[in-house]
Amino acid sequence: GENVEQHPSTLSVQEGDSAVIKCTYSDSASNYFPWYKQELGKRPQLIIDIRSNVGEKKDQRIAVTLNKTAKHFSLHITETQPEDSAVYFCAASGASGGSYIPTFGRGTSLIVHP
Amino acid sequence: GAGVSQTPSNKVTEKGKYVELRCDPISGHTALYWYRQSLGQGPEFLIYFQGTGAADDSGLPNDRFFAVRPEGSVSTLKIQRTERGDSAVYLCASSFGLAGGEQFFGPGTRLTVL
Repeated sequence: GENVEQHPSTLSVQEGDSAVIKCTYSDSASNYFPWYKQELGKRPQLIIDIRSNVGEKKDQRIAVTLNKTAKHFSLHITETQPEDSAVYFCAASGASGGSYIPTFGRGTSLIVHP
Repeated sequence: GAGVSQTPSNKVTEKGKYVELRCDPISGHTALYWYRQSLGQGPEFLIYFQGTGAADDSGLPNDRFFAVRPEGSVSTLKIQRTERGDSAVYLCASSFGLAGGEQFFGPGTRLTVL
């Protein structure tokens, strides 16, 4: 099955700095890579996603890059703000017997200091 | 608008008891997923429904866990003879369509087995 590794487990930055979170996956058949933000005690919420036919996607201060050859993808947050502080999860999925089963990374706790 | 809802929000039970956790997906979403999230971990897949049928139950840890979705909408996760190791947050998510769609998570049920 799919295995997703996520690094770092904790990331501490100053407000205004950039933050980068990296994930690797093992199954070359994976073709959908979402990123979720989970604030303390809240539900995970999708912040950006990318499919395997695209190398990069941007949405305001957030961008995701995908390297299919190396099987890794990254989340980039620019001009970080204190409200960006949360746990971020990457995931990878693909078609497996007609179903869509995402495998999640273990999460990165991002702390943005004012 | 109405998102995914889960009840109860918290459940405390004693070892050996039976519990039921309920999920109400977004109206019209045909796919429904159950996950288990332990502290400091990403969501761990349990079971996936497409309509009324369990399309993939490979994540259920053992036969004490069972889930149903009799009318293709509300789903119930059932855990028999609970053990302390079952303590976790149980998340439900729904999505529209078959594969690769955004998943919308519920707030979760925090299960504590004493």
